[in-house]
Amino acid sequence: DSGVTQTPKHLITATGQRVTLRCSPRSGDLSVYWYQQSLDQGLQFLIQYYNGEERAKGNILERFSAQQFPDLHSELNLSSLELGDSALYFCASSVGGSPYGYTFGSGTRLTVV
Amino acid sequence: TQLLEQSPQFLSIQEGENLTVYCNSSSVFSSLQWYRQEPGEGPVLLVTVVTGGEVKKLKRLTFQFGDARKDSSLHITAAQPGDTGLYLCAGYPADLSNFGNEKLTFGTGTRLTIIP
Repeated sequence: DSGVTQTPKHLITATGQRVTLRCSPRSGDLSVYWYQQSLDQGLQFLIQYYNGEERAKGNILERFSAQQFPDLHSELNLSSLELGDSALYFCASSVGGSPYGYTFGSGTRLTVV
Repeated sequence: TQLLEQSPQFLSIQEGENLTVYCNSSSVFSSLQWYRQEPGEGPVLLVTVVTGGEVKKLKRLTFQFGDARKDSSLHITAAQPGDTGLYLCAGYPADLSNFGNEKLTFGTGTRLTIIP
């Protein structure tokens, strides 16, 4: 157990639907990061939150949104899902800033059919 | 945009052989990390290097940070099947702007397969 909890672990849904992925960061970590990883690809940065505020945005589609709540857990909302959205979605948390490493969750595998 | 290019992209070698993976950039990083990711799991931090020229060893793995803090290498001695996985380098850009050094830039990855 890395200390970062992601739910659900697997999700199968149809095109056009909306899903919510949840992440609880490691205790004490204020930064939460979301990544998308397609089959055999590297990590694509989506968005970062720090203590409830959006801090950085990557290649996140307009159909995707996220937020971080006062208890520091975060949710990634994916809407109008397309087949190409099928991927592993990882959440990571960190104290924040160099040289601290990220602790990753075990991911949510999203399959859009 | 600070890019970290890793080479090779794919590497398949026999058990017991040695190998080196490279992580290169034209940008300077305040610190650099290496992660290993196994199929279906999240990446796990292996090491952090901070000082230019720094060398760290983790059992059969040797990590080096370039003198100019723009590149790094990972050397594995006597590779074992358990070393199989996706290796990712990641660095914090040496950016003095606000929030500039709060987010890791990840490399393109090296997929390593060790054949028993």
